[in-house]
Amino acid sequence: EDKVVQSPLSLVVHEGDTVTLNCSYEVTNFRSLLWYKQEKKAPTFLFMLTSSGIEKKSGRLSSILDKKELFSILNITATQTGDSAVYLCAVEADSGGSNYKLTFGKGTLLTVNP
Amino acid sequence: GAVVSQHPSRVICKSGTSVKIECRSLDFQATTMFWYRQFPKQSLMLMATSNEGSKATYEQGVEKDKFLINHASLTLSTLTVTSAHPEDSSFYICSASLAYEQYFGPGTRLTVT
Repeated sequence: EDKVVQSPLSLVVHEGDTVTLNCSYEVTNFRSLLWYKQEKKAPTFLFMLTSSGIEKKSGRLSSILDKKELFSILNITATQTGDSAVYLCAVEADSGGSNYKLTFGKGTLLTVNP
Repeated sequence: GAVVSQHPSRVICKSGTSVKIECRSLDFQATTMFWYRQFPKQSLMLMATSNEGSKATYEQGVEKDKFLINHASLTLSTLTVTSAHPEDSSFYICSASLAYEQYFGPGTRLTVT
């Protein structure tokens, strides 16, 4: 059974702090790892990672994948209150034929206090 | 960007009734759509994978006869919760795939009284 584990489950920081969110996985037929931000409704896409060691960056957010050690981290620098959300890690794997599916971790609830 | 809509966004129904939730890809054709369920403070759990024109593939533990999925066209998939019970109350989210990326709908909050 595919498994995705995120840590920590929750985190409270002050504005301006830097945070690192972790995601480890065990899946068969790995295709990619994705990070999402979920506020009140559906998740919004942040990053898709397919190759080890290549950092993806978007503003204050960055992420990297280690396919050997089977984990990824999501970094947020100079955090702002608007970064408060649940951050979901998901792993995409082939499920047979031309199908594939996402397995989500439980998420990290990030709270950024002013 | 690719947009996925869901309707309704919120529904309250009585126990024993059936509820249909629609998921539409607005500006692209989606061969595959996915249905997820999310309990409060928990992650998204994949319920089923829906391919246009064929039967949905359900995840282990998901009752096929209770959660009916129909993917009649490349832009529309529906999830019908039959004979709903209070334990079916949840947040249901669909996603549609385009070029190996999944785009999520805004979700439907179902409350069964």
